[in-house]
Amino acid sequence: KQEVTQIPAALSVPEGENLVLNCSFTDSAIYNLQWFRQDPGKGLTSLLLIQSSQREQTSGRLNASLDKSSGRSTLYIAASQPGDSATYLCAVNNQGGKLIFGQGTELSVKP
Amino acid sequence: GAGVSQSPRYKVAKRGQDVALRCDPISGHVSLFWYQQALGQGPEFLTYFQNEAQLDKSGLPSDRFFAERPEGSVSTLKIQRTQQEDSAVYLCASSPKGTGGAYGYTFGSGTRLTVV
Repeated sequence: KQEVTQIPAALSVPEGENLVLNCSFTDSAIYNLQWFRQDPGKGLTSLLLIQSSQREQTSGRLNASLDKSSGRSTLYIAASQPGDSATYLCAVNNQGGKLIFGQGTELSVKP
Repeated sequence: GAGVSQSPRYKVAKRGQDVALRCDPISGHVSLFWYQQALGQGPEFLTYFQNEAQLDKSGLPSDRFFAERPEGSVSTLKIQRTQQEDSAVYLCASSPKGTGGAYGYTFGSGTRLTVV
């Protein structure tokens, strides 16, 4: 059974800092992995989608990497801003189509 | 539509009441998913439709939960005889392809259900 773990559960950093969020999964036979952002009381906004054959994806200040063999993905946020404050969720697609989510990392960027 | 639309945004139900939650996926999207998100947790899978066919309902927590998508577009999640443990945010997602979510998923803003 696929299990997804995100570390840390919460993170507080000063504005301008670079940071890394971690996601690990137990079954490496994934189809793709997706990072989402969730603001309080809101739905999920897709940030980056990495197919199983890819190693990384970049969008602006965000870079996501995937190491399928070790069951790990990281989300790198460069030059963090207060507007980046949100919960970040990692989700694995195991070819059945449904997503298995981690519990999320709650990020707070202090001005 | 431009995105996935869910209604109502908020629903307060008395314990024992039946509720119906609606999801309008992006036009033309074949796959539709329902997820349940408890406070402080990641979303958990409930059920999956490909067009009008419900291909997977393994995540539905009890026979009080029922979902349908009769014409392959709008979907309704119905919860009968609501209990306090049903309080959660219910998220709907759609994807343009039939299987695998190769193009990722677009989520709606969710319906926050509170059972009192």
